[in-house]
Amino acid sequence: RKEVEQDPGPFNVPEGATVAFNCTYSNSASQSFFWYRQDCRKEPKLLMSVYSSGNEDGRFTAQLNRASQYISLLIRDSKLSDSATYLCVVPDQTGANNLFFGTGTRLTVIP
Amino acid sequence: ETGVTQTPRHLVMGMTNKKSLKCEQHLGHNAMYWYKQSAKKPLELMFVYSLEERVENNSVPSRFSPECPNSSHLFLHLHTLQPEDSALYLCASSQDRGGSEQYFGPGTRLTVT
Repeated sequence: RKEVEQDPGPFNVPEGATVAFNCTYSNSASQSFFWYRQDCRKEPKLLMSVYSSGNEDGRFTAQLNRASQYISLLIRDSKLSDSATYLCVVPDQTGANNLFFGTGTRLTVIP
Repeated sequence: ETGVTQTPRHLVMGMTNKKSLKCEQHLGHNAMYWYKQSAKKPLELMFVYSLEERVENNSVPSRFSPECPNSSHLFLHLHTLQPEDSALYLCASSQDRGGSEQYFGPGTRLTVT
């Protein structure tokens, strides 16, 4: 099983819609999680960190379900500028220095 | 000066060339990383430096050679690359190694002809 798995999409949603992405992780010992956003041909940028059950920042909500080992990202009132690839990231718990990156979920918000 | 900078932003090189990628972080972080991003693949970690010491080398071919002269600078020396090495090479830094948030530079888009 891969360390991090995401639905690659693409998700095509109209402006104003609510959209949610799920991400599953394999290591039950994982304590912290991140969502990064990557625009086309640009670098990943940190969107949210999740250290407990969840985190909310404006239109973005990240939720953590430890029992089922998944993290979700909810985007409310989608804007055109939300179009990007969203990367789920889980730190390596083996004592190494890795962050495990998912392949990303592609979102396109349509006018 | 923005957090993590990389030069050059684009590079085209032949298989017999030698070139170097440069990364500089202005965040006071202690760990720096090189990643490779190929189309439709997740980021692949190549090298990790913590306090200027290489702490991880993910079975990267020897045609890639990293150098970390101090905690703010990281280089990736390239020689005799293959066309399949064409990718986006991203540098990142974090406060400490071991799973804290990483901040990325804009990347170098490398094409090997």
